[in-house]
Amino acid sequence: QVQLQESGPGLVKPSGTLSLTCDVSGGSMSSSYWWSWVRQPPGKGLEWIGEIYPGGNTNYNPSLRSRVTVSVDWSKNHVSLKLSSVTAADTAVYYCVRSPGYWFFDLWGRGTLVTVSS
Amino acid sequence: QSALTQPPSVSGSPGQSVTISCTGTSSDISDYNRVSWYQQPPGTAPKVIIYQVTNRPSGVPDRFSGSKSGNTASLTISGLQAEDEADYYCTSYTTSNTYVFGTGTKVTVL
Repeated sequence: QVQLQESGPGLVKPSGTLSLTCDVSGGSMSSSYWWSWVRQPPGKGLEWIGEIYPGGNTNYNPSLRSRVTVSVDWSKNHVSLKLSSVTAADTAVYYCVRSPGYWFFDLWGRGTLVTVSS
Repeated sequence: QSALTQPPSVSGSPGQSVTISCTGTSSDISDYNRVSWYQQPPGTAPKVIIYQVTNRPSGVPDRFSGSKSGNTASLTISGLQAEDEADYYCTSYTTSNTYVFGTGTKVTVL
């Protein structure tokens, strides 16, 4: 049973860079899957951040494109997210998400809360 | 890109049917069958219940069904049960190769 586990600092200072890692366990990161990050501010709705797909190409939410990088380390079985120049508006639960390539998300991590505060 | 529009809340008694709408534009919902729906009980991660407009993953009860007409997709829960109380989100892949989520709908079982 493949599982996704997000990890990283729970507190980031304003103007800093948020860095998260998603460990894929229970199976390998097959090149058939696409990997996304989704976030959810406390008490609010879901927002798609970006994806990386077979071949290493990426797509990003236009509102975040200038600040975000999604990458994959196939040898370590993990997906990474970097979001720069963070503000309080970036405080959210961040989810690592898998897509089988048919425009939906079939597997979600449990999420990790990141708070932006000084 | 703007979020897809959903009603903030819907409610129904056990056994009744409720329908949640999800309205987008020609850049997302209308031209493609790339709409999916997610159920998120409080304090948990979302779970897919409908993909490609009408398909149910294995294990999802058949009381959940999806449809689409023009720029609006819909999720219907027939035979509402107490365990269906949750937040529901639609999402669509767009012509810009991005995803956009709906604003979310809270389903309350009376």
